[in-house]
Amino acid sequence: DIVMTQSPDSLAVSVGERATINCKSSQSLLDSSNKRNYLAWYQQKPGQPPKLLIYWASTRESGVPDRFSGSGSGTDFTLTISSLQAEDVAVYYCQEYYSTPYTFGQGTKLEIK
Amino acid sequence: QIQLQQSGPGLVKPSQTLSLTCAISGDSVSSNSAAWNWIRQSPSRGLEWLGRTFYTSKWYNDYAASVKSRIIINPDTSKNQFSLQLNSVTPEDTAVYYCARVSAARRTFDYWGQGTLVTVSS
Repeated sequence: DIVMTQSPDSLAVSVGERATINCKSSQSLLDSSNKRNYLAWYQQKPGQPPKLLIYWASTRESGVPDRFSGSGSGTDFTLTISSLQAEDVAVYYCQEYYSTPYTFGQGTKLEIK
Repeated sequence: QIQLQQSGPGLVKPSQTLSLTCAISGDSVSSNSAAWNWIRQSPSRGLEWLGRTFYTSKWYNDYAASVKSRIIINPDTSKNQFSLQLNSVTPEDTAVYYCARVSAARRTFDYWGQGTLVTVSS
């Protein structure tokens, strides 16, 4: 199974500041045949299911604010929130879909400083 | 608009069978461009993919090794839904269970059910 490791486990950022969450996979998520990275990012708020933010490592889901961006390739990925808003307080997860069993990172709790 | 609506009991006794259903609206369980998944979440195990069912000329199932001996995911084309059965449950199976769609376009979980907290306790 592919192991997904996020850092940090928790993060406190001031409103308007940048938040950066990292995700590392135990093997490459890049498919050389189509040049795509099989990596997604989710946001989860209390009592709700995870919400898809980013797929193919850097493609923003429809309706997701453009302050959210994803980057990286191979085994190292980053989710960046360019200007944190109060409503962005949540737990964020990365997830690989390169192969089953699909696996998730342990989550990063993002709070307001 | 695609919606997944979960139903099923929130309390199951140890050694019994956990059964949940996910009703689909706005898509078809028989779609050639989607797969229908069950995922659970607990403090001890985090988010854990359990398995999926999908149709491409015939029906396929794919299960996580951790539950493979105990799980069945079945499509129900007459009701446009799919179900989860997890046999011989223990308190370790206590979790919030989600159904979710994987679309051919995104290849990952783009629509989720609301979640069902299932507690395994006598």
